[in-house]
Amino acid sequence: NAGVTQTPKFRILKIGQSMTLQCTQDMNHNYMYWYRQDPGMGLKLIYYSVGAGITDKGEVPNGYNVSRSTTEDFPLRLELAAPSQTSVYFCASTRDGVGYTFGSGTRLTVV
Amino acid sequence: GENVEQHPSTLSVQEGDSAVIKCTYSDSASNYFPWYKQELGKRPQLIIDIRSNVGEKKDQRIAVTLNKTAKHFSLHITETQPEDSAVYFCAASRNDMRFGAGTRLTVKP
Repeated sequence: NAGVTQTPKFRILKIGQSMTLQCTQDMNHNYMYWYRQDPGMGLKLIYYSVGAGITDKGEVPNGYNVSRSTTEDFPLRLELAAPSQTSVYFCASTRDGVGYTFGSGTRLTVV
Repeated sequence: GENVEQHPSTLSVQEGDSAVIKCTYSDSASNYFPWYKQELGKRPQLIIDIRSNVGEKKDQRIAVTLNKTAKHFSLHITETQPEDSAVYFCAASRNDMRFGAGTRLTVKP
């Protein structure tokens, strides 16, 4: 099993550009999550999904969108990137709400 | 939504001493309380977790206690070693895990 795979690992965006952060898991986990971590800070929940076709907002959803068309994939879309979205983004998954598995993260810089 | 507070923000101990980190949560429906260790530039790593039907759990030098009535839980690390130096996060979850702000633990040799 590859676990949780995030792509890309690094990205630099210009203000106003858009991009999609990819997250794929091969563990048949129902629950998937997106977090952001600003330097020296804790992780903040952006969006989460408890199954295909279901998504919910977390603590900091503004400026982001998600979709969950399959169990495996949970992409995070940034529209009109802003400097405040400079952060490390982590995707995570869990089968039943415990023992979260994290991806290795995407380091995004908006200039 | 759930709100998790974590204290202290920094903690410095001598090698061999114990370290205690405390967290409180607001949502009484939360039923899962993990602790993560994060080293610089790496993803969070689960070190121990506890479910709401258990008051205490121990794994070698690490233990977690949970007081559901008071809505607080704590991480205890005994016989600390320099390699325990890292940032530690508590979290609380029903379906959506929320994190505390983190504690930077430094273990001095």
